[in-house]
Amino acid sequence: GIQVEQSPPDLILQEGANSTLRCNFSDSVNNLQWFHQNPWGQLINLFYIPSGTKQNGRLSATTVATERYSLLYISSSQTTDSGVYFCAVEDRGSTLGRLYFGRGTQLTVWP
Amino acid sequence: SQTIHQWPATLVQPVGSPLSLECTVEGTSNPNLYWYRQAAGRGLQLLFYSVGIGQISSEVPQNLSASRPQDRQFILSSKKLLLSDSGFYLCAWSLGLANYEQYFGPGTRLTVT
Repeated sequence: GIQVEQSPPDLILQEGANSTLRCNFSDSVNNLQWFHQNPWGQLINLFYIPSGTKQNGRLSATTVATERYSLLYISSSQTTDSGVYFCAVEDRGSTLGRLYFGRGTQLTVWP
Repeated sequence: SQTIHQWPATLVQPVGSPLSLECTVEGTSNPNLYWYRQAAGRGLQLLFYSVGIGQISSEVPQNLSASRPQDRQFILSSKKLLLSDSGFYLCAWSLGLANYEQYFGPGTRLTVT
């Protein structure tokens, strides 16, 4: 199956700082999603972004499908941004809808 | 709007006992449904998916089974739990297979003792 690598694995920031999370994938994709897993385990959809750039408030994401990577930008981070951020992809040849997840980036934001 | 429910939220079961986890979706018809497991160390793994009532496909051979008795209900079961079945089980839905956004439920945390 398709390989998904996220970096960095851990990130510690002070409130107000900006950050960039990266997701590399090993093959062409139909679908790429970014999720935030909150402390209760809920996966919150952040972006559905198989290509291009999207913004939602302090968060934005860019996927360069031809170069097989995606970036998630968090600006002016807040303590509520803490948690694990996952990138998940569906390979282009898929007819199953199976998402392959990276191992996530654990973000900790200190006040 | 669509919502997805899972229960129970947490469960502690002894080895060898049966298991039944339930997932229901509201606000949509004929969704595609998925069961994922998240073990310690973060990664999520697809266990089962379903495109309709009674239609189940398994992705990983294991001690678990799934059923879809109604359009918006998806059940994960086991006849005899193993220690290795411990984990966080997440149900998800989408409007179609391939190239559709998936939405996840709140999850069930299972501990097998």
